[in-house]
Amino acid sequence: NAGVTQTPKFRVLKTGQSMTLLCAQDMNHEYMYWYRQDPGMGLRLIHYSVGEGTTAKGEVPDGYNVSRLKKQNFLLGLESAAPSQTSVYFCASKIGGGYEQYFGPGTRLTVT
Amino acid sequence: TQLLEQSPQFLSIQEGENLTVYCNSSSVFSSLQWYRQEPGEGPVLLVTVVTGGEVKKLKRLTFQFGDARKDSSLHITAAQPGDTGLYLCAGPFNTGNQFYFGTGTSLTVIP
Repeated sequence: NAGVTQTPKFRVLKTGQSMTLLCAQDMNHEYMYWYRQDPGMGLRLIHYSVGEGTTAKGEVPDGYNVSRLKKQNFLLGLESAAPSQTSVYFCASKIGGGYEQYFGPGTRLTVT
Repeated sequence: TQLLEQSPQFLSIQEGENLTVYCNSSSVFSSLQWYRQEPGEGPVLLVTVVTGGEVKKLKRLTFQFGDARKDSSLHITAAQPGDTGLYLCAGPFNTGNQFYFGTGTSLTVIP
């Protein structure tokens, strides 16, 4: 099992460009999450999903959109990238009712 | 405003020393999780504490949940270089659908 995978690992964008980050999990987990990690801030929740076809806003959703068309995939989109979105993005998944989140290796995004 | 505050933010110690990391909140949590994150990787769960006053041990790591379920501590005995990493606490809210993460403690153990 690959667990949670993220594509791409690194990306550099210019201000105003758009991109999509892909998260895939092969553990049949119901819940999936997108976080961003910035120095001294820990992990902050952007959006999450409690099942296929559902999404909800987290703590810092502005400037991001998500989709969960298939249970195993959770996509994070940036429509018009801003330098403030420079960060490391982590995807995670878990079973319903459980506490343990399984994290992907992260995507380092730089917006210039 | 950070719901979970961790201290210290940075810690650099010699191999063999003991250390304690703290995770504090003004809110009550039904449980707290501790994760360790190594450079270039995602966090990995170490333990979940659920009951107020609960103590869990994982080899040289001892985790305690405060009686009021507002704080937790992680104590490492005889630290080793392999303990180096970022330690994060996390707590669920919104019926466990979402999690807050602490600010993190970056630990470096010098051989």
